[in-house]
Amino acid sequence: EPEVTQTPSHQVTQMGQEVILRCVPISNHLYFYWYRQILGQKVEFLVSFYNNEISEKSEIFDDQFSVERPDGSNFTLKIRSTKLEDSAMYFCASSSSGGGQETQYFGPGTRLLVL
Amino acid sequence: AQTVTQSQPEMSVQEAETVTLSCTYDTSENNYYLFWYKQPPSRQMILVIRQEAYKQQNATENRFSVNFQKAAKSFSLKISDSQLGDTAMYFCAFTSGGTSYGKLTFGQGTILTVHP
Repeated sequence: EPEVTQTPSHQVTQMGQEVILRCVPISNHLYFYWYRQILGQKVEFLVSFYNNEISEKSEIFDDQFSVERPDGSNFTLKIRSTKLEDSAMYFCASSSSGGGQETQYFGPGTRLLVL
Repeated sequence: AQTVTQSQPEMSVQEAETVTLSCTYDTSENNYYLFWYKQPPSRQMILVIRQEAYKQQNATENRFSVNFQKAAKSFSLKISDSQLGDTAMYFCAFTSGGTSYGKLTFGQGTILTVHP
């Protein structure tokens, strides 16, 4: 069964460093998402991406964040200058259509720790 | 803005028993979708069940079923014949069926522990 994959599974970085989190969505999916979950808290939407552009973003997704689909398979989240409060689990998800008609499938997550 | 509320931070149940997890939501929309996701200790998010708001019939998936009360904006999850592998955090989630690109809004989660 197709699945969303994410690399790395764990990332430790120093405050102020740039990190890139990578995701490979399910191959025939067209809508891509990033969510984050701070330890012990709920899952929060960051951004959605369709047709090579951001379709929606949350207040959390400020200028420090960017997303890119550099080729036909990868979908990346970049944090330019990490802060302590960026420590969280980051989930990538994909779906074949937007608007809820099709289910979003989640990757296993990347656990980011900023020291 | 849509909100999703799960009022039970923790629940526990004996193996083979039935448990119901509560979820309420607030929206002014008529077309939307509701989901229950399971997050085991591995922290992977796994879809348990989904419900389309335009469908009156409650969704079922094997031991999992929902009680969808549209007027009351309630969407509870019933787990029958609970198994040890059901131990996890359960999240209720909402997405608009309108012009939204599928952004999911999650509740705070309910930690479910199944005891042998």
